[in-house]
Amino acid sequence: QKEVEQDPGPLSVPEGAIVSLNCTYSNSAFQYFMWYRQYSRKGPELLMYTYSSGNKEDGRFTAQVDKSSKYISLFIRDSQPSDSATYLCALTRNTGNQFYFGTGTSLTVIP
Amino acid sequence: EPEVTQTPSHQVTQMGQEVILRCVPISNHLYFYWYRQILGQKVEFLVSFYNNEISEKSEIFDDQFSVERPDGSNFTLKIRSTKLEDSAMYFCASKPAGAYNEQFFGPGTRLTVL
Repeated sequence: QKEVEQDPGPLSVPEGAIVSLNCTYSNSAFQYFMWYRQYSRKGPELLMYTYSSGNKEDGRFTAQVDKSSKYISLFIRDSQPSDSATYLCALTRNTGNQFYFGTGTSLTVIP
Repeated sequence: EPEVTQTPSHQVTQMGQEVILRCVPISNHLYFYWYRQILGQKVEFLVSFYNNEISEKSEIFDDQFSVERPDGSNFTLKIRSTKLEDSAMYFCASKPAGAYNEQFFGPGTRLTVL
């Protein structure tokens, strides 16, 4: 069983839509959960970081963690064409430890 | 805003040659990492480095790989004898001290082994 599972998509939505991106994981030792955005042939850019179950909001982005279900989500409200990218979830057991990445979900927001 | 930088952006080498990929982490960060991403695949951890020593490494990071922090600013990844399957994007990342767990990634070096 893979450490982190993420639907690769591709996902295509109209501008203004709410986007839901998800990852599941198998190891309950993961305590920290990150979402990165990656444009083609660029490095991952940190979007959100959380370590507890519940919701964390930052502008149009909301990160949600459900540790009991081992399920994390990223919601994008009022999606924009500039949000078109690959979104990666990344998990880690403890501070300083390696990140385990999902495969990434490719998102296209159509104007 | 401070950022992680990497050089070169693209490196082409012949199989069996040694390559050194260079990174300048964010200046007040204390944890350093190398990841790689083979085209179309997920980002994979290679090694982490803290307090001038390797703190964690993956199965990928075998004897052909080494890391070094030769001075106060650079962090390098050396591949001694490159193989075709080493072709990938190599990302350097750094993390500040303390409880924060965000790793900040550089733009990557594309390594092509012919």
